Parts: sequence; structure tokens; C-alpha cells
Amino acid sequence: RKEVEQDPGPFNVPEGATVAFNCTYSNSASQSFFWYRQDCRKEPKLLMSVYSSGNEDGRFTAQLNRASQYISLLIRDSKLSDSATYLCVVIPTGGFKTIFGAGTRLFVKA
Amino acid sequence: NAGVTQTPKFQVLKTGQSMTLQCAQDMNHEYMSWYRQDPGMGLRLIHYSVGAGITDQGEVPNGYNVSRSTTEDFPLRLLSAAPSQTSVYFCASSPVISNQPQHFGDGTRLSIL
Repeated sequence: RKEVEQDPGPFNVPEGATVAFNCTYSNSASQSFFWYRQDCRKEPKLLMSVYSSGNEDGRFTAQLNRASQYISLLIRDSKLSDSATYLCVVIPTGGFKTIFGAGTRLFVKA
Repeated sequence: NAGVTQTPKFQVLKTGQSMTLQCAQDMNHEYMSWYRQDPGMGLRLIHYSVGAGITDQGEVPNGYNVSRSTTEDFPLRLLSAAPSQTSVYFCASSPVISNQPQHFGDGTRLSIL
């Protein structure tokens, strides 16, 4: 079983739609969680951290469920510019090696 | 703010050649790492370092060497390039505190003929 698993997609949604991605992780001792965004042939960029209480940044909402070991990303009112690959990222407690999921591809259509 | 700087951005090599991919960061980050990303695939960790003089292997270390003589620099050496090493290489850094996200350079696109 992979340490971090994501649905690879692709997710094809119209502009204005709401879309949600889930990510599961296997190490229950994981401490830190993030969502990154990667545009085609570009470097991954931090989208947002994920906190235990859930957090929101504009149209983006991230949630963490430690009991079920998954994190989620909700994008509301999708824009064409949201088209990208979204990477789920986990850092184990006391560890340094960041673990990246393989990513979920999102296409937002006009 | 320079952040993480990788050079070169593009490189074409012949099989058997050696070269060094450069990575430098100006954020005083202790943790640095190298990843490769193949088409349609996720990031795979090659080597990482938690500070000057300390390096360790990641998931796919074969064919690559690293060293960390300073906090700022973390070069990746291909010893004898093979076509299987054609990939996009990303360098990343973060503070050593484990709850901090990594910052990436903009990558080196390497083709081995």
C-alpha cells in the first residue's frame, strides 16, 4: 500500500462547479499535511496547509480526518485557472522526509 | 527573493556522460532534497540532507551522488548518464522543523540520448 494515495482523476468540471479531492495516508503518526498545486511542466507550489480543525483560504477548504486518516480539498466556484494537478503531502511525526501523493489532475472547462 | 535556484534549466547529455545539477537556496534551510518526476508520475525522492555534512538516500538513489558541504548548496551528480535518467529534476528545501512545507526550485529538464 502506498504511503499516500490519491485518485489520479482526471476530474473534468465546468466553470463554477464545486469539486472535492480526497487523499488517504497510511502512517497514523503523521504530523503535518499540505496541499500543493503543480501546473504542467512547472514546480509544485504550496497551496495551503491542512489543520486539524479544518481551514479555508478563499475558494479553497482543506479538512483533516485523523481517525480515518484522510485529508480533503474542496474547491468552490472553479475557475479555468484552477486547472492543474493537486498533490497531497504528508510529513510523519519526527521525520523529515516529505511524502507526496501522485496527484489528482483537474481540468476546468469553459 | 531568490528562494531555491536550480541550474541548468535544460540539459541534453549522451549516454555515459557525467554532470552535476546545481541547487542553491538562500533561506538558511537545513533540509534539502532532490526529486525526479517522470511524465504522468509523482515525485520520487532521490537523496536528501538534514544539514551540512549529512546526506541520506531516498527512494531512487542509484546512479546519483550528492554532497552537502554548505547549508546553501546541494548538488546532484549523475555518474554515468543513462536514458532511464531522462526526467525533470526538482530540488526543494525547508526548515528542519518537520512541520514546515518544502519550497521547490523550478526544475532541470534533462534528456539523455
